[in-house]
Amino acid sequence: AQSVTQLDSHVSVSEGTPVLLRCNYSSSYSPSLFWYVQHPNKGLQLLLKYTSAATLVKGINGFEAEFKKSETSFHLTKPSAHMSDAAEYFCVVLTSGTYKYIFGTGTRLKVLA
Amino acid sequence: DGGITQSPKYLFRKEGQNVTLSCEQNLNHDAMYWYRQDPGQGLRLIYYSQIVNDFQKGDIAEGYSVSREKKESFPLTVTSAQKNPTAFYLCASSKREGSQFFGPGTRLTVL
Repeated sequence: AQSVTQLDSHVSVSEGTPVLLRCNYSSSYSPSLFWYVQHPNKGLQLLLKYTSAATLVKGINGFEAEFKKSETSFHLTKPSAHMSDAAEYFCVVLTSGTYKYIFGTGTRLKVLA
Repeated sequence: DGGITQSPKYLFRKEGQNVTLSCEQNLNHDAMYWYRQDPGQGLRLIYYSQIVNDFQKGDIAEGYSVSREKKESFPLTVTSAQKNPTAFYLCASSKREGSQFFGPGTRLTVL
């Protein structure tokens, strides 16, 4: 069975410093992996997705993620945090051949001035 | 503009009352989904539909019902059987094995 674990429920960084949000997944088959961002009382917005092409995926707003099959990880990074990055981030896995998207429990990112 | 819309943005329900949340998409996506989000938690799947006139229960379907009479529309009814319906409800759509696109959400509160 597939699952997603977001290793940190809360992350705090100072503005201008790097961001690392960690995600580990479990999937029997070749997965598609996604990162979404949610601002308060809003819907989810797609940041990036991995679908078995390049292992380093670039997304919107300067975010990127690296798919590491040996570590079953898909961590989200950004070189320099901005105040507007403060939000909740969700890692999602979709197993090939299904319609069922599995969501992590989310990581709340706080950016300090 | 292509997108997915939900209405209303806020909804209040009295005890014993059924309410229906609207979800419409013009992205020509086959699949549509309903999720429930509670404070500090991830998304839990209520129902999903892969094609018109067909839908499947998700992880927390009890107390909810859906219909899929048109490709563009996937309304969710929260029935009186749902004992704790206060939550943020999100609708999404996708192509097969593609990225999900989400609506802005409906916040339901029981009075």
